[in-house]
Amino acid sequence: RKEVEQDPGPFNVPEGATVAFNCTYSNSASQSFFWYRQDCRKEPKLLMSVYSSGNEDGRFTAQLNRASQYISLLIRDSKLSDSATYLCVVKGNNDMRFGAGTRLTVKP
Amino acid sequence: GAVVSQHPSWVICKSGTSVKIECRSLDFQATTMFWYRQFPKQSLMLMATSNEGSKATYEQGVEKDKFLINHASLTLSTLTVTSAHPEDSSFYICSARDLGGGTQYFGPGTRLLVL
Repeated sequence: RKEVEQDPGPFNVPEGATVAFNCTYSNSASQSFFWYRQDCRKEPKLLMSVYSSGNEDGRFTAQLNRASQYISLLIRDSKLSDSATYLCVVKGNNDMRFGAGTRLTVKP
Repeated sequence: GAVVSQHPSWVICKSGTSVKIECRSLDFQATTMFWYRQFPKQSLMLMATSNEGSKATYEQGVEKDKFLINHASLTLSTLTVTSAHPEDSSFYICSARDLGGGTQYFGPGTRLLVL
């Protein structure tokens, strides 16, 4: 079983749509959780951290369920510029483990 | 914000040659640097963790004699792919963590193509 699993997609949505990504992780001792965004041929960039209480940053909302070892990302009113691969990242004591990513394409 | 640079950004080499990739933290000191590899349409896979002044810790399945890592200072780590072969062609990304042990900052990556 992979340490971090994501639905690879692709998700093809129209502008303005709401889209949700899910992620599960296997290590119950994981301590920190993140969503990263990776554009084609670029390095990953931090989108937001994820907390058990849930957190929101503009159109983006992230949720963490430790009991289910499940992380989600919700994007509202999607923009063309949101097209990218979204990586679920789980951090243990020392290093970060990446999911394979979910590809999102927002179309006009 | 914190910046991590990598050099070169891309390299094409013949099979059998060695390639060195540099990773620098430009405005902070990094006790720990991480080296990742990403094949097309796949996730970033951690190759090794390097701590300044000590030997790198390699992930299972990564040959330490093939991927030489040096972390001689708090701002520089190097990855040398020795005797590169076409299957080593990939996107290599480094990441640096500051002294506080908090956020990891990623370099822009190095694309390696071995012919």
